[in-house]
Amino acid sequence: NAGVTQTPKFRVLKTGQSMTLLCAQDMNHEYMYWYRQDPGMGLRLIHYSVGEGTTAKGEVPDGYNVSRLKKQNFLLGLESAAPSQTSVYFCASSTPGQPSTDTQYFGPGTRLTVL
Amino acid sequence: AQSVTQLDSQVPVFEEAPVELRCNYSSSVSVYLFWYVQYPNQGLQLLLKYLSGSTLVESINGFEAEFNKSQTSFHLRKPSVHISDTAEYFCAVSRSSGGYNKLIFGAGTRLAVHP
Repeated sequence: NAGVTQTPKFRVLKTGQSMTLLCAQDMNHEYMYWYRQDPGMGLRLIHYSVGEGTTAKGEVPDGYNVSRLKKQNFLLGLESAAPSQTSVYFCASSTPGQPSTDTQYFGPGTRLTVL
Repeated sequence: AQSVTQLDSQVPVFEEAPVELRCNYSSSVSVYLFWYVQYPNQGLQLLLKYLSGSTLVESINGFEAEFNKSQTSFHLRKPSVHISDTAEYFCAVSRSSGGYNKLIFGAGTRLAVHP
């Protein structure tokens, strides 16, 4: 199993450009998450999904959109990139059991720079 | 609201020395606590977690953490570190919202093991 994969690994954008980050998991997990990691701030939840066709806002959703058209994929979109969105983006997935206790599995990350 | 404070942003230590990475949390309800590790240029991996029962939890690579309810702490320890333990360590508390697991992360502690 590949686990959680993310595409691309690196990207440089100019302010105002758009892009989509792809997350894929092969563990048949119901739940998927998008985080951003900034120095000194840990990881913050952007959006999450509890199943195919459903999404919800996390802690820092502004400027991002997501879609979960297939169970194994979770897409994160930036419609008009801003320098404040320069960050490392991590996708994670988990399986429902006891929701508070299940382990999240993380992808390797996408490093995005917005000039 | 739940929050997590990691008291040290960086911890330098020599190989084979003991180490403690400190984590305090605030929560008014039952908590589930996690330590994740991020090796250079990789995603996060679960190191250990406290759900219930014994307050001392161990990982397979020699780390342990003790849940201390009275001090609201979940410090991570290892009696003898290796060069390969160099990584960033994140403490996290689980927040159940609408039945879904959301992780609240601390800012991270960078452990640097020197020969």
